[in-house]
Amino acid sequence: AQSVTQLDSHVSVSEGTPVLLRCNYSSSYSPSLFWYVQHPNKGLQLLLKYTSAATLVKGINGFEAEFKKSETSFHLTKPSAHMSDAAEYFCVVSGPYNDMRFGAGTRLTVKP
Amino acid sequence: DSGVTQTPKHLITATGQRVTLRCSPRSGDLSVYWYQQSLDQGLQFLIQYYNGEERAKGNILERFSAQQFPDLHSELNLSSLELGDSALYFCASSETGRGNQPQHFGDGTRLSIL
Repeated sequence: AQSVTQLDSHVSVSEGTPVLLRCNYSSSYSPSLFWYVQHPNKGLQLLLKYTSAATLVKGINGFEAEFKKSETSFHLTKPSAHMSDAAEYFCVVSGPYNDMRFGAGTRLTVKP
Repeated sequence: DSGVTQTPKHLITATGQRVTLRCSPRSGDLSVYWYQQSLDQGLQFLIQYYNGEERAKGNILERFSAQQFPDLHSELNLSSLELGDSALYFCASSETGRGNQPQHFGDGTRLSIL
């Protein structure tokens, strides 16, 4: 069985400051982990994925995430927030049959 | 553009009715997934098909059913609709359905029950 916990339901940052969205996971398997972003009235877009290769994963739009097995974490970061980053972000864990489990989501607000 | 097409984009109907949501997966993808997203339940996995066969079931109600056709498009049928079925329904697809593959999502069908 697997699950994810997104530790913050809402994160607010100023434009140009770093972003940190936190995710802890639980998995009986060697997990595959993903971050997706959802803009209003849109489907989910893949930001990045971890599938047991490099522990630091680079994604689109300047986002990256680090897989830490000892901490069972997969936090998403970006050095400098942009107004267009405002959206809902989902951390996802997947088992061997692509049975994805989504976190509750973190709403990112970016202030000018 | 994810390459996954969902129709219709919006659907408004009444309680007790039946609707069909349609999904065309990304070219080359064999696996299709259906999700329901609502404010109180979040994003819930409903069901997965792979090359026409049901592969996994999640929190799908008995009033709901789905199928994947030989051309790989999929339909989600919702019947005896209730107010609580109002939600955004997403379809996603992946190449083979293995766990290390990302899913690609359509823009969803917004279902409103009056």
